[in-house]
Amino acid sequence: NAGVTQTPKFRILKIGQSMTLQCTQDMNHNYMYWYRQDPGMGLKLIYYSVGAGITDKGEVPNGYNVSRSTTEDFPLRLELAAPSQTSVYFCASSLTSGVGTQYFGPGTRLLVL
Amino acid sequence: GQQLNQSPQSMFIQEGEDVSMNCTSSSIFNTWLWYKQDPGEGPVLLIALYKAGELTSNGRLTAQFGITRKDSFLNISASIPSDVGIYFCAGQNAGGTSYGKLTFGQGTILTVHP
Repeated sequence: NAGVTQTPKFRILKIGQSMTLQCTQDMNHNYMYWYRQDPGMGLKLIYYSVGAGITDKGEVPNGYNVSRSTTEDFPLRLELAAPSQTSVYFCASSLTSGVGTQYFGPGTRLLVL
Repeated sequence: GQQLNQSPQSMFIQEGEDVSMNCTSSSIFNTWLWYKQDPGEGPVLLIALYKAGELTSNGRLTAQFGITRKDSFLNISASIPSDVGIYFCAGQNAGGTSYGKLTFGQGTILTVHP
């Protein structure tokens, strides 16, 4: 199994541009999460999904959108990039919500100029 | 919302020394987790704690779930250079409408000098 994969690894955007961060897991996990990590800070939850077709907001959802059309994929969309969205983005998945183990992807480093 | 305070923010130690770090919360958690993040990688789970007072080991790592459920501790014994990285605590309230959401501490940056 590849686990959780994310693309791209790194991206530079201009203010106002849009992009989609891709996340795929091959572990048949129901639960998927998007976090952002700012320098010197822990990870903050942006959006999460408990299964295909079901998504909900996390702690910092403003400026982002998600969709979950399949179990495997959970893309994160930035519609109008802002400098405040410069961060490292991590996707994670877990089989259930109750046992703690979330598997993280390698991250996407985004710079908005 | 819930907040976690993790300390220390950074540590510079000599190889062979023991390390201690802790995490405190303004509210209780049902589960405490400790993750390690290597540069350019995502966090990897080290230890999960599910019961107040629980003490769990994973090799040279030992973690404890505080009796009040508002804190947790991680100890690393006999540190080695590959212990370098950022260590995060995370609290979780499983079940119900929490959907396994994790609340993370700010991280402890560990540097080990050979």
